[in-house]
Amino acid sequence: DGGITQSPKYLFRKEGQNVTLSCEQNLNHDAMYWYRQDPGQGLRLIYYSQIVNDFQKGDIAEGYSVSREKKESFPLTVTSAQKNPTAFYLCATRHPLGANVLTFGAGSRLTVL
Amino acid sequence: QKEVEQDPGPLSVPEGAIVSLNCTYSNSAFQYFMWYRQYSRKGPELLMYTYSSGNKEDGRFTAQVDKSSKYISLFIRDSQPSDSATYLCAIAREGGSYIPTFGRGTSLIVHP
Repeated sequence: DGGITQSPKYLFRKEGQNVTLSCEQNLNHDAMYWYRQDPGQGLRLIYYSQIVNDFQKGDIAEGYSVSREKKESFPLTVTSAQKNPTAFYLCATRHPLGANVLTFGAGSRLTVL
Repeated sequence: QKEVEQDPGPLSVPEGAIVSLNCTYSNSAFQYFMWYRQYSRKGPELLMYTYSSGNKEDGRFTAQVDKSSKYISLFIRDSQPSDSATYLCAIAREGGSYIPTFGRGTSLIVHP
């Protein structure tokens, strides 16, 4: 069953802790993206990666880090430097021949206590 | 000015109504226009995709692009309670880094 798997679905974190959100895909897509979604707001780009071992900052990269060691995986770390991390996080991929259409995972909801 | 503007709603309509959802954008360089549907606590799923201008129809859904006015629309005919969701428009340029810009999303409620 092809698709994008995000885990965990729900995550609670204490202030000052780093957490890593997983994004795995078996679609063989080169490009991967991380977006953040807050209530009443659109999707804001955190990081994106066009190919393995390369990634670029998006509009709101401060307090986040990523890695792209494998084509299938693009984990996102929310560091303690992120001042307001409670949000819904979405991972997406883009088909190499699919213009600018993104396919999204089911999302991970992070709550900081 | 934001690159894409979308009224967040909520928009509440009775079952069977025709729904019109809209976005405006600021840069004429955009060539790709998309509509995503997002149910609560789920990831967005692609509904409609249009390149350049014109109309596209898929079942009860019609996407329209008016590049002269920088205005895109999604029409839903015979709306159903199962259409209740948030609808996000997205736009992207030709070439470059292929990064779509999303609207805020419009919350639609279709009541029986």
